[in-house]
Amino acid sequence: GAGVSQSPSNKVTEKGKDVELRCDPISGHTALYWYRQRLGQGLEFLIYFQGNSAPDKSGLPSDRFSAERTGESVSTLTIQRTQQEDSAVYLCASSNRASSSYNEQFFGPGTRLTVL
Amino acid sequence: AQSVTQPDIHITVSEGASLELRCNYSYGATPYLFWYVQSPGQGLQLLLKYFSGDTLVQGIKGFEAEFKRSQSSFNLRKPSVHWSDAAEYFCAVAPTSGTYKYIFGTGTRLKVLA
Repeated sequence: GAGVSQSPSNKVTEKGKDVELRCDPISGHTALYWYRQRLGQGLEFLIYFQGNSAPDKSGLPSDRFSAERTGESVSTLTIQRTQQEDSAVYLCASSNRASSSYNEQFFGPGTRLTVL
Repeated sequence: AQSVTQPDIHITVSEGASLELRCNYSYGATPYLFWYVQSPGQGLQLLLKYFSGDTLVQGIKGFEAEFKRSQSSFNLRKPSVHWSDAAEYFCAVAPTSGTYKYIFGTGTRLKVLA
């Protein structure tokens, strides 16, 4: 596609429910990243994929958070038993590759998650 | 600890006025430096980046930034602001090896008065 797309754009859920957030990266981009943007805060790194594997999951805030990527393309971020503190905008980005050399990360528009 | 500080949460300027958004970082070595802009409902768009060399970097939309090693700063400037520049601006750093792990500042929201 022309850019990174994310769905849904908005998600309202009740506390305790599970949610799945989807990211479609730019075609051919091998690296994919998830970030969380809480109100009034900067972006927090959550997880990075190179291909379908995730060499760095260090930013996932708890074991309620998980992510997978298939076909070196689409990625899904799953939050189980959502809590109110999970309310945030979840941003996805992709790049050609992540290595010792710089590769620009292209960001999607984000999914705004509200946990009631 | 590695961090990025954007001391101004909100800035309001009149259209046509000059703009400077501040960014300071704390890092073990000189990192790669970035400025991104985020318009409502949009993803982050890269305005400019600094890797090495000339400390004054030109970006898109008429923006520039100056890297000052002695001050650990990377301030963003624009000589004449347009109403369409109203958005949120994020400064970010990344290590020069394994550049995926960006650290973002908390952002500065720019309001432009007609």
